Amino acid sequence: QQQVKQSPQSLIVQKGGISIINCAYENTAFDYFPWYQQFPGKGPALLIAIRPDVSEKKEGRFTISFNKSAKQFSLHIMDSQPGDSATYFCAASLGGKLIFGQGTELSVKP
Amino acid sequence: GAGVSQSPSNKVTEKGKDVELRCDPISGHTALYWYRQRLGQGLEFLIYFQGNSAPDKSGLPSDRFSAERTGESVSTLTIQRTQQEDSAVYLCASSPYKAQPQHFGDGTRLSIL
Repeated sequence: QQQVKQSPQSLIVQKGGISIINCAYENTAFDYFPWYQQFPGKGPALLIAIRPDVSEKKEGRFTISFNKSAKQFSLHIMDSQPGDSATYFCAASLGGKLIFGQGTELSVKP
Repeated sequence: GAGVSQSPSNKVTEKGKDVELRCDPISGHTALYWYRQRLGQGLEFLIYFQGNSAPDKSGLPSDRFSAERTGESVSTLTIQRTQQEDSAVYLCASSPYKAQPQHFGDGTRLSIL
């Protein structure tokens, strides 16, 4: 019940395209849903986050869509760029600690 | 620096040895977290310190793992009698009191021979 399931495992997108990564959860006690971006050899860096009382949040090219009834949330990266190539993790917060998805390796082709 | 600092960045040790990993959180952050990231996988929660409260140790995989934190500053994660399955990147994060977001260090890459 504390799992966060993330898909796809890997994603290849052309430059300028839209990248979409999906996550699903079971525990309705989760109260905060961040997305992290990780480059090789580096720690995860917060990209964007949402709370369950909001259905969508946009920051620049990054948008989170949140569906509370379906217990799903997704990250959309508009106008994807080669510099966006990285591993993306969704997560959900429970009592402060984060439960992470398994990650999506995104490759944006020029 | 202003970020979370972890040391060493890399550690290679023999099976059965004890290791200590260090984390310096962002100044003023009262919450500190340790996570483990195995190759190609997501992060697994290990332990969470919040101020002077008892730590949440629910993610520690065995009694070979322990962690301490001095006040609201440095934390040390200790792994005793290391096993090959302990090979992973150990990441530390900190956040303001009972609040998100968590800010991560670059981790310690631990390799057990």
